[in-house]
Amino acid sequence: NAGVTQTPKFRILKIGQSMTLQCTQDMNHNYMYWYRQDPGMGLKLIYYSVGAGITDKGEVPNGYNVSRSTTEDFPLRLELAAPSQTSVYFCASSYFYLGQQSPDTQYFGPGTRLTVL
Amino acid sequence: DAKTTQPPSMDCAEGRAANLPCNHSTISGNEYVYWYRQIHSQGPQYIIHGLKNNETNEMASLIITEDRKSSTLILPHATLRDTAVYYCIAGYSTLTFGKGTMLLVSP
Repeated sequence: NAGVTQTPKFRILKIGQSMTLQCTQDMNHNYMYWYRQDPGMGLKLIYYSVGAGITDKGEVPNGYNVSRSTTEDFPLRLELAAPSQTSVYFCASSYFYLGQQSPDTQYFGPGTRLTVL
Repeated sequence: DAKTTQPPSMDCAEGRAANLPCNHSTISGNEYVYWYRQIHSQGPQYIIHGLKNNETNEMASLIITEDRKSSTLILPHATLRDTAVYYCIAGYSTLTFGKGTMLLVSP
């Protein structure tokens, strides 16, 4: 049981390039999330998904796109990379069902460190 | 999510209890209090959560005041490996992480 895995671990992009950050979970969780963390700051929610085919914006969605075609995968797409997108990106997942007393805990991946030059 | 306020840093001696405070005076009735920690740039790790009652698990205890406006995370016997940033979050399904408290456990 690998939990939440993210690839790549590190990446350097030039301004204007595009890339996809991969996230996979093997816990059959229905909820998945993407966060970014700038130096010395807390995590900010970019996008989240409550199940396959359903996504919604978080606090800082501009410049990013997501899709959720399967339960396991939740890729994050950066189009036209900008220096402001230099950050560490974390993917997380959790399990929640209607009627559950409280949302289940979020499990985080190890992160992708992205630098845009 | 309700806003939370935490001290930016705290120190604790190894083997002693670490008590981390959090204010969440605007918490709404259906919002839970969650605690996560982040060890040196790793992904955050869940510690504990609660609604009204005090909670305890193998990692920590959570004490929530009766008016739910503040809470305290207690690590009963802090070790060097507990050095981390601790985040207190008041929310439901989506979580808002602030800057947290940097806890430094020293020998």
